[in-house]
Amino acid sequence: DSGVTQTPKHLITATGQRVTLRCSPRSGDLSVYWYQQSLDQGLQFLIQYYNGEERAKGNILERFSAQQFPDLHSELNLSSLELGDSALYFCASSEGPTTSYEQYFGPGTRLTVT
Amino acid sequence: AQSVTQPDIHITVSEGASLELRCNYSYGATPYLFWYVQSPGQGLQLLLKYFSGDTLVQGIKGFEAEFKRSQSSFNLRKPSVHWSDAAEYFCALLRNTDKLIFGTGTRLQVFP
Repeated sequence: DSGVTQTPKHLITATGQRVTLRCSPRSGDLSVYWYQQSLDQGLQFLIQYYNGEERAKGNILERFSAQQFPDLHSELNLSSLELGDSALYFCASSEGPTTSYEQYFGPGTRLTVT
Repeated sequence: AQSVTQPDIHITVSEGASLELRCNYSYGATPYLFWYVQSPGQGLQLLLKYFSGDTLVQGIKGFEAEFKRSQSSFNLRKPSVHWSDAAEYFCALLRNTDKLIFGTGTRLQVFP
């Protein structure tokens, strides 16, 4: 158990809908990262937050957004869902960008868009 | 461009045999490198990391990896594989202290 929690574990929704994925980092970690794992794209970095502020962005679609709250939990919002958004979404956390480079991953949320 | 290549998509070994999973990277500076393991339906577990110093690093579950700058490689090894090691293994490179760049993974199958 990495100490990173993600909810829900599974999510099934229809095209055009909007969903929110939630992540709680390990105790003491200030950085949160979101990754997408799909069969065709592999593991791709989406976005990073550090202590509430966006720090780095990857190939995140405009339909996707994220935020990190004062209690350091983070949410990834996916809207206008398409079939191709079906994937495993991971959250990871680390102490911070200059204190620790180790990222610890949660169990993931499996999103199925029908 | 920074990248990670895992040349072997699928490897099969017998239980008790030795294992080496290959990883090659492309990066302009000294890389921070990681190996993660993903069991079916599970998240990614950090096996080991290389930041600097000793080029042979030890990890959990009896795994080790050797960083070779001249070959741009960071291969993962285990002297004796157990059936519970069957999983997918990912090599990753840390870019700009933020994002991890992953290889495509190597699926390990272990025969009894």
